[in-house]
Amino acid sequence: ILNVEQSPQSLHVQEGDSTNFTCSFPSSNFYALHWYRWETAKSPEALFVMTLNGDEKKKGRISATLNTKEGYSYLYIKGSQPEDSATYLCAFLTGNQFYFGTGTSLTVIP
Amino acid sequence: GAGVSQSPSNKVTEKGKDVELRCDPISGHTALYWYRQSLGQGLEFLIYFQGNSAPDKSGLPSDRFSAERTGGSVSTLTIQRTQQEDSAVYLCASELGRGLGGYTFGSGTRLTVV
Repeated sequence: ILNVEQSPQSLHVQEGDSTNFTCSFPSSNFYALHWYRWETAKSPEALFVMTLNGDEKKKGRISATLNTKEGYSYLYIKGSQPEDSATYLCAFLTGNQFYFGTGTSLTVIP
Repeated sequence: GAGVSQSPSNKVTEKGKDVELRCDPISGHTALYWYRQSLGQGLEFLIYFQGNSAPDKSGLPSDRFSAERTGGSVSTLTIQRTQQEDSAVYLCASELGRGLGGYTFGSGTRLTVV
């Protein structure tokens, strides 16, 4: 069983603060890392698909970096807004199988 | 159990046959979710259970899909008269209770309809 860990498990920030969280995954047999924004009982929104070591991707105020050699990815949110409140989920793809982290639950306080 | 268990891990079936996918959630988790991931697409929500009840079945893609959960534990997703477009990875996740966190995904069932 592969271990994909996300930290912190939950986070409360004030509106306007910037924040970041981590996804750790095995550094071997890497194929891709997916980040999702997820509200349970809805289809997760795909944020980024990252495949190359050193990748940096950006979508509005959200960005992500990838280090496949050491097995981690950071997700950053700049100037958090209440609508950013959700669970952010990473998924590690190796071969043809996904392994999901348990998510970071973000609450942005107005 | 220690994690969410799904079976089978791989299933190849002929078009038109029925298939049954099983999810065994973490003991004590009252919420259970089914998703699928098709090739090149993101996760698609199918259905969730709180206990044995499924308050919202609108995510099921057609009336060939049904799901049930018994004893607040094991859930089965049944696809009748499978079509090639049903080929996907079917993922199950359980949570302590809806919105309570601790959600854990199973490793999925890869369904191939030939």
